[in-house]
Amino acid sequence: EVQLLESGGGLVQPGGSLRLSCAASGFDFSSYAMSWVRQAPGKGLEWVSGISGSGGSTYYVDSVKGRFTISRDESKNTLFLQMNSLRVEDTAVYYCGKDAIATRFQAPQQFDSWGQGTLVTVSP
Amino acid sequence: EVVLTQSPGSLSLSPGERATLSCRASQGINIFLTWYQHRPGQAPRLLMYGASTRATGIPDRFSGSGSGTDFTLTISRLEPEDFAVYYCQQYDSSPITFGPGTRLEIK
Repeated sequence: EVQLLESGGGLVQPGGSLRLSCAASGFDFSSYAMSWVRQAPGKGLEWVSGISGSGGSTYYVDSVKGRFTISRDESKNTLFLQMNSLRVEDTAVYYCGKDAIATRFQAPQQFDSWGQGTLVTVSP
Repeated sequence: EVVLTQSPGSLSLSPGERATLSCRASQGINIFLTWYQHRPGQAPRLLMYGASTRATGIPDRFSGSGSGTDFTLTISRLEPEDFAVYYCQQYDSSPITFGPGTRLEIK
């Protein structure tokens, strides 16, 4: 059974940093692109960042480029999101998502498994 | 960036009725469209990918259609567990984008 467990969320001041983790199990982690998707309070879903199965390609929405860094550790089956220079508008529940199709070198596409999310609150 | 527009924003129907949800893309995205169901407090659930292919375990009362810029998700006979928010998402080009969602409510 595929399981994704996010951690690392919390309360941080504007300008601060957080590192989110997503521990994966139940599938061949290195064969699947992974992504982070967030949902601000009362808002819809927003894709934030993705990484290919190989880890060689990364992708970001414009609003987080230069501030967030996605990475993965195959030895630990874990996905990360390093978030720096946080802004109030980054407040959201952050979900990690596993791609539905096993391709090591392709960009993220659609997500067939999601974690339960971790809440990030950026507030003075 | 591909902008997705969903209509209606909310829909009130009764169990057993048919629901038709629309998603329109700001430019052609072939069939690279996905639908998700999102219940409060739960993780989103993949319903449909490639515009019309049901994901594993999705009942056949859910169907998808469309290509290019106009897409439809149809739920033929609503069950109580179907009342949720539905999002479309495109993966034709980066960045991946989601529509704003359609809230399906019990009448």
